[in-house]
Amino acid sequence: EVHLVESGGGLVQPGGSLRLSCAASGFTFSSFEMNWVRQAPGKGLEWISYISSTGNTVFYADFVKGRFTVSRDNAKSSLFLQMNNLRAEDTAVYYCARERTTMKEVSYYYMDVWGKGTTVTVSS
Amino acid sequence: DIQMTQSPSSLSASIGDRVTITCRASQSISSYLNWYQQKPGKAPTLLIYAASSLQSGVPSRFSGSGSGTDFTLTISSLQPEDFATYYCQQSYSTQTWTFGQGTKVEI
Repeated sequence: EVHLVESGGGLVQPGGSLRLSCAASGFTFSSFEMNWVRQAPGKGLEWISYISSTGNTVFYADFVKGRFTVSRDNAKSSLFLQMNNLRAEDTAVYYCARERTTMKEVSYYYMDVWGKGTTVTVSS
Repeated sequence: DIQMTQSPSSLSASIGDRVTITCRASQSISSYLNWYQQKPGKAPTLLIYAASSLQSGVPSRFSGSGSGTDFTLTISSLQPEDFATYYCQQSYSTQTWTFGQGTKVEI
């Protein structure tokens, strides 16, 4: 069965750092692009970051550029999110999600498998 | 950035009702539109991708339509397990994806 399990969340002071991990199982991790999405308490979903299957291409939402870094270790079927200079507004549940692409004449992209999330709280 | 606007923000419905949620993009996104369901305290799950393709395992009472800037998610006959928040998401702009603000479906 396909699974994604996030870890590494916790309480951190403003300006601090955290490294989130996402462990994948049940599929060939190295064949899939991956994303991070977050959800602040009582708020909607926000896409944060993308990484290609090889790790060579990454993208970030403007509000985390320069502070967050996404990476992956395909040998260990793991995805990471290094978060630096954290702010109160980064408080959220962080999800990793697998990206799929339709195999048709036109490629469409969507996130078909999500982890349960890990909670990050930024507070003094 | 492409903005996604859902309406309504919330709605009240009864079991068996037909429910329609709309999502509007700030520019044309062709059919690069996905729908997710989220229940309280749980991760989102994929319902519809490419505007109208039903994800495997999702009940056929869910359907999606639209292209360009206007999209709809329809639940043909609301069931108790469908009370949740629904989000649209565009995947048109290269890896700068955005979600709608969500629509909460409640009794």
